[in-house]
Amino acid sequence: SYELTQPPSVSVSPGQTARITCSGDALPKQYAYWYQQKPGQAPVLVIYKDSERPSGIPERFSGSSSGTTVTLTISGVQAEDEADYYCQSADSSGTGFGGGTKLTVL
Amino acid sequence: QVQLQESGPGLVKPSETLSLTCTVSGGSISSYYWSWIRQPAGKGLEWIGRIYTSGSTNYNPSLKSRVTMSVDTSKNQFSLKLSSVTAADTAVYYCARDSSGSLGYWGQGTLVTVSS
Repeated sequence: SYELTQPPSVSVSPGQTARITCSGDALPKQYAYWYQQKPGQAPVLVIYKDSERPSGIPERFSGSSSGTTVTLTISGVQAEDEADYYCQSADSSGTGFGGGTKLTVL
Repeated sequence: QVQLQESGPGLVKPSETLSLTCTVSGGSISSYYWSWIRQPAGKGLEWIGRIYTSGSTNYNPSLKSRVTMSVDTSKNQFSLKLSSVTAADTAVYYCARDSSGSLGYWGQGTLVTVSS
């Protein structure tokens, strides 16, 4: 199953910590991935396999997993982090995305 | 650096078949899954399906009856066909490389509008 639930929106002030959650019954058995998407651009992978960070992604982006919930944490949020964020899970039959969370930097 | 580029008609008539091709450069198409994802304006991402270089496919169950994917390793290309389209199929269509679930490389996306 790829049913993943995200909050529609999260707001934080610059320099604070943003936490975006993603819940799904299959997450204890499947890895989660996180994507950042800015307006008019393709999504960019920021976290893979729950907590791994691709090269070139700032250290302020981190991921964690606990039971049926995975969390994307952005420490010391910057204005450039304002974007939509999508979680994704995958198995041998395919993949699915959460509905997305709009991060607003106040 | 791997790059992907979608190509195909930007306008398709209702009931006809949408056809898109993704060209991969900067690396071999072999030994990876290759996915198609779409995004209607103002909405979230929807996975359409993926194809392995052997030709093995997985499709989104909600679209499976209308989707066909193919791969041409000699041209480093893979393709999507979506039949019997309606206005609900209007979206930006992305191709992406699937590496054990990670969609690490994406095309820039191409807008396909379904309209008469």
